[in-house]
Amino acid sequence: QSVLTQPPSTSGTPGQRVAISCSGSSSNIETNTVTWFQQLPGTAPKLLIYSNTQRPSGVPDRFSASKSGTSASLAISGLQSEDEADYYCATWDDTLNGWVFGGGTKLTVL
Amino acid sequence: EVQLVESGGDLVKPGGSIRLSCVASGLTFEYAWMTWVRQAPGKGLEWVGRIKSEVEGGTTDYAAPVKGRFTISRHDSQNTVFLQMNGLKKEDTAIYYCTTGTIGFAYWGQGSVVTVSP
Repeated sequence: QSVLTQPPSTSGTPGQRVAISCSGSSSNIETNTVTWFQQLPGTAPKLLIYSNTQRPSGVPDRFSASKSGTSASLAISGLQSEDEADYYCATWDDTLNGWVFGGGTKLTVL
Repeated sequence: EVQLVESGGDLVKPGGSIRLSCVASGLTFEYAWMTWVRQAPGKGLEWVGRIKSEVEGGTTDYAAPVKGRFTISRHDSQNTVFLQMNGLKKEDTAIYYCTTGTIGFAYWGQGSVVTVSP
């Protein structure tokens, strides 16, 4: 049972927009910044979004994110087949005194 | 270019010990906070713990499931961070990644596989 709650799976067709939610609490998402990772099969995670909404250099602007209260969301527009991956949200938890991850969302591009 | 290379993964018996290493290059290691994250087979990512830079005290924090059994240390002159794992349990079976970055976990190693099995 992960501290942050994500839907286990989602899907979309090429060109479509999909959103992945991440639900937390007052001790984590509400008071700390959210980070998102993309993990392609058999590879290490890749930083996708940091500080709630910021994209590292090289991440396409098709990826965007937002945060409100105890929840955060990652949006992917203009879906491409190469976006098929697992997506994780993460943040610091003040009560647990450590980083917490969502359980991950498997994105399938139909 | 920042590179992180983990090593030391192996098959270990329950109750046994193992030490993972992560060698970093392409960054000013002495200022880097180094973190270990693991991923059990077919499961999600789990934070294991971190060590701050020596200039910021070099203190460590650990996730509850590993606290008291795992120890993170660093050797700045060798650009290396270690994860000493004692009292291993079956549920510690995972790929162990080291990660770091000034804007969050921007850099990751390829991972080191630890299998705990009789």
